[in-house]
Amino acid sequence: SQQGEEDPQALSIQEGENATMNCSYKTSINNLQWYRQNSGRGLVHLILIRSNEREKHSGRLRVTLDTSKKSSSLLITASRAADTASYFCAPFTGGGNKLTFGTGTQLKVEL
Amino acid sequence: DTAVSQTPKYLVTQMGNDKSIKCEQNLGHDTMYWYKQDSKKFLKIMFSYNNKELIINETVPNRFSPKSPDKAHLNLHINSLELGDSAVYFCASSQKYTPYTGELFFGEGSRLTVL
Repeated sequence: SQQGEEDPQALSIQEGENATMNCSYKTSINNLQWYRQNSGRGLVHLILIRSNEREKHSGRLRVTLDTSKKSSSLLITASRAADTASYFCAPFTGGGNKLTFGTGTQLKVEL
Repeated sequence: DTAVSQTPKYLVTQMGNDKSIKCEQNLGHDTMYWYKQDSKKFLKIMFSYNNKELIINETVPNRFSPKSPDKAHLNLHINSLELGDSAVYFCASSQKYTPYTGELFFGEGSRLTVL
């Protein structure tokens, strides 16, 4: 297993703007997952992108994956105050391996 | 219905005490986990059980002892609590679908404060 490293550590934007956060990892993956954690709550699964996919959409979320660069990005379009949370990426290497996490990107969306 | 539930949500105790955190999932999953999140938001896996059998035991002091009475429950008992044990402890579960994706379902966390 391996953990992803999110960048930036913190991001502050205005409501309506787009938010982009990045994730890098070290070894080959089966898939890469993004999770959101609201303050004082547990992590919630947002989206999963498989290693043979390059882009995936879910509502206002767009995830890209570049396996040659071992990186992924999460774009939140037209952000809202309710998007304020920490976002974690988790590269999954498959088999019986566990999912590990980094320290996340703390996104603050201001009114 | 809450899918993964943990109790208690908050726990404040003195150094040297023993405490337990309980977790239950009603998703029918086979695998359950304990993660520890520190003050910097770093989330570290501690243990994993698959159908009541311990399969992951990360380098955790043996003061921490998980117990899984059945596949829907995973409890965490901590002996001789230390200041450094203060953290938020998350329970999670996953199911081995075909293909297995590793997706986790988390509880709301149990915030432990050791004074």
